[in-house]
Amino acid sequence: EVQLVESGGGLVNPGGTLRLSCVASGLTFSDAWITWVRQAPGKGLEWVGRIKSKTEGETREYAAPVRGRFSISRDDLQNTVHLQMNSLKTEDTALYYCTTGFCLYGGCHWDDAFDSWGQGTMVTVSS
Amino acid sequence: QSALTQPPSASGSPGQSVTISCTGTSSDVGAYNYVSWYQQHPGKAPKLMIYEVSKWPSGVPHRFSGSKSGNTASLTVSGLQAEDEADYFCGSYAGRNIMVFGGGTKLTVL
Repeated sequence: EVQLVESGGGLVNPGGTLRLSCVASGLTFSDAWITWVRQAPGKGLEWVGRIKSKTEGETREYAAPVRGRFSISRDDLQNTVHLQMNSLKTEDTALYYCTTGFCLYGGCHWDDAFDSWGQGTMVTVSS
Repeated sequence: QSALTQPPSASGSPGQSVTISCTGTSSDVGAYNYVSWYQQHPGKAPKLMIYEVSKWPSGVPHRFSGSKSGNTASLTVSGLQAEDEADYFCGSYAGRNIMVFGGGTKLTVL
């Protein structure tokens, strides 16, 4: 069973920085593409960004609202993905989930269907 | 990329069927057969219910079914049960390696 555990959330002032971590187990981590999704209180899901596997070039993509401020990295030795968040804004306040897809019958769904999720870590940006 | 549009609420009585819509554009829902649906109970992480418009992940009851027509995808829950009461979110691949989600629909079992 795939397990994802996020950490690093907390209260930060506008303009501040925070680094979230996601530790994974139960999967071949080096093959996995990891996505961050956030959910503001009482709101819907919002795709934040994704990092591909090393063999796929560790390509990163980001949603427009966070591009240039957030950065995703991975450490395959530690089965960990990090989300570095800089220049935080009040609108970044949300529960941040890491999530990943799956492979089935020779095909993989890394970017279009997320079947494993962490419990989330809360980020509050407020003065 | 704009969020997909879902009705804020839906409801049905036990045993009935209810359908939740998810409207996108020709750049996301209409362009790709990569629509997924997620169920979220209060305080819990989302759970994948449908992928590739109409496919079931292992363990998901086939009471849940998905379809798509043009720029609108739909999730139908048949034989409603009390435990189906939850928030439901749709998602669609939107090209350029980006995913978009809907705002969510709160399903109430009357």
